[in-house]
Amino acid sequence: GAVVSQHPSWVICKSGTSVKIECRSLDFQATTMFWYRQFPKQSLMLMATSNEGSKATYEQGVEKDKFLINHASLTLSTLTVTSAHPEDSSFYICSARDRRGWEYEQYFGPGTRLTVT
Amino acid sequence: GNSVTQMEGPVTLSEEAFLTINCTYTATGYPSLFWYVQYPGEGLQLLLKATKADDKGSNKGFEATYRKETTSFHLEKGSVQVSDSAVYFCALSATGNQFYFGTGTSLTVIP
Repeated sequence: GAVVSQHPSWVICKSGTSVKIECRSLDFQATTMFWYRQFPKQSLMLMATSNEGSKATYEQGVEKDKFLINHASLTLSTLTVTSAHPEDSSFYICSARDRRGWEYEQYFGPGTRLTVT
Repeated sequence: GNSVTQMEGPVTLSEEAFLTINCTYTATGYPSLFWYVQYPGEGLQLLLKATKADDKGSNKGFEATYRKETTSFHLEKGSVQVSDSAVYFCALSATGNQFYFGTGTSLTVIP
């Protein structure tokens, strides 16, 4: 089956530093990847949609200069949280859509827990 | 617009009890509907899906039927196990890109 991995699974960083999270589709090519943020005991909120080779589309209220997204290849998208602050602490989940698929399904990564101290 | 309303939890059941988690939706067009499960500390896993009205999705003893007339996609399981303890999310997708998630329902099954 389709597998999406994320790295790291858990990261702790100091306030003011930047953190990069990787999202990879392991056994399929993904023209589109999505980044979600999940607060404790809440649902997933879509942050942005990234298409391979083009700029990401950010949802309203998401700062594109703070959450940099790069989708450099058909199997890799990265999310960089720049100048992180404690309020950025959250669970970040990516998902990927198989380019061959016609059904409306996304494959989700296991998530990355970011803690900013 | 598109949205999902999901039964609030938490839900606590004894092992072998019957489970129902309600989910209703509003959508433009003809969405596909999904149930995802999230175990503690993990990402979302697709549990089941239905892509058109009257379809029944099923997996691991869980079932949900796409009811267009009531705009519902309720999740059911006849006999829950301790290992079913998790958070369950109802979701829809109308375009293949944007997913709309419910708020999640936490289920705890006690022996």
